[in-house]
Amino acid sequence: AQTVTQSQPEMSVQEAETVTLSCTYDTSESDYYLFWYKQPPSRQMILVIRQEAYKQQNATENRFSVNFQKAAKSFSLKISDSQLGDAAMYFCAHLYNNNDMRFGAGTRLTVKP
Amino acid sequence: GAVVSQHPSWVICKSGTSVKIECRSLDFQATTMFWYRQFPKQSLMLMATSNEGSKATYEQGVEKDKFLINHASLTLSTLTVTSAHPEDSSFYICSAPVTFEQFFGPGTRLTVL
Repeated sequence: AQTVTQSQPEMSVQEAETVTLSCTYDTSESDYYLFWYKQPPSRQMILVIRQEAYKQQNATENRFSVNFQKAAKSFSLKISDSQLGDAAMYFCAHLYNNNDMRFGAGTRLTVKP
Repeated sequence: GAVVSQHPSWVICKSGTSVKIECRSLDFQATTMFWYRQFPKQSLMLMATSNEGSKATYEQGVEKDKFLINHASLTLSTLTVTSAHPEDSSFYICSAPVTFEQFFGPGTRLTVL
């Protein structure tokens, strides 16, 4: 079974600075997808970024980028130029076969003005 | 992107009563939908997979007689919490897959008094 581990329950970053959230996963599959979701106080899950395992190039979305290390089963999220609106819970997730999505425990990000 | 709605957004009920939560895919068809439960300050835990026209698949430890799932059409899945008790109070989220991505509903907050 897939498992996802986020070892940082809480992180803090100064506004305009850069922060990296860690995620590791365990899977026996070779083809899968990885995601970072943001959950603000409204609790709506918002997709931040998606990575396909067969692509070696790291995904980027504006200020958000990932460091995908397939062999190490590591998938960290880097947020550059942090903004107050980035404050939220961030969940790393693993999806296999368009079906089974598993989430990490989450990291609460605080952005200090 | 695809839109998933949930109704109601919040509900308060008395212990022993049943509550139905609806999950709809608004602009696409979903043969599969997923139901998650999220306790405060915790991650999303998959409860069950809802399959259109067939029985739902429940995760280990989830009581299928307590959490009834019906996926009667390609755009609607319902979760009924039967004989609800205070420990069932939680945030319930549904999702539907589209091309190796999951789209989440806004969630339903259930409070059982």
